[in-house]
Amino acid sequence: SQQGEEDPQALSIQEGENATMNCSYKTSINNLQWYRQNSGRGLVHLILIRSNEREKHSGRLRVTLDTSKKSSSLLITASRAADTASYFCATEETSGSRLTFGEGTQLTVNP
Amino acid sequence: NAGVTQTPKFRVLKTGQSMTLLCAQDMNHEYMYWYRQDPGMGLRLIHYSVGEGTTAKGEVPDGYNVSRLKKQNFLLGLESAAPSQTSVYFCASRSGTSEAYEQYFGPGTRLTVT
Repeated sequence: SQQGEEDPQALSIQEGENATMNCSYKTSINNLQWYRQNSGRGLVHLILIRSNEREKHSGRLRVTLDTSKKSSSLLITASRAADTASYFCATEETSGSRLTFGEGTQLTVNP
Repeated sequence: NAGVTQTPKFRVLKTGQSMTLLCAQDMNHEYMYWYRQDPGMGLRLIHYSVGEGTTAKGEVPDGYNVSRLKKQNFLLGLESAAPSQTSVYFCASRSGTSEAYEQYFGPGTRLTVT
């Protein structure tokens, strides 16, 4: 079964609004990563947060991690139509070297 | 750098046929991975390799074999294709250096088994 579960499955917003996606996982982790996938393409790494970090920023992206609740959120601020894509969380367990992906959130940003 | 490339991009097989998917990376990465992605699902790990000459099973290895004879290449084989193996297959690689955790993905191979 998938390690990560994402919420919501689909999200539709207007350009300029913020988008928040959530991810929950089950086991102890080394780090949690977020990836983006445009339709018909491979995944692209966005941001990584380590298990001893609580919040991280990269441009318009903000990631939080709550290891006590085994959950993470990805916030995209001031969204653009070009942000339309599927977003996946992935966890690297403490055993290392492998990622387990969630089922993804399909984000649609309407111009 | 080309990054991670996959061959072929598309393929249609009949049940029982065999084929090999090729993944190549030019980043001198130690780790390589094969995933499959089915509609409405995330990626599931089939097999992976932590270095030349090594392979290990992932979450869904049945029906697949892999080989890592050269560091830059990771091959995924289907010996006797089944309709359940219809999927999009992604290869990824990662540096073996500690603190370099992100995976780099290829563009995918869309496989249909009829």
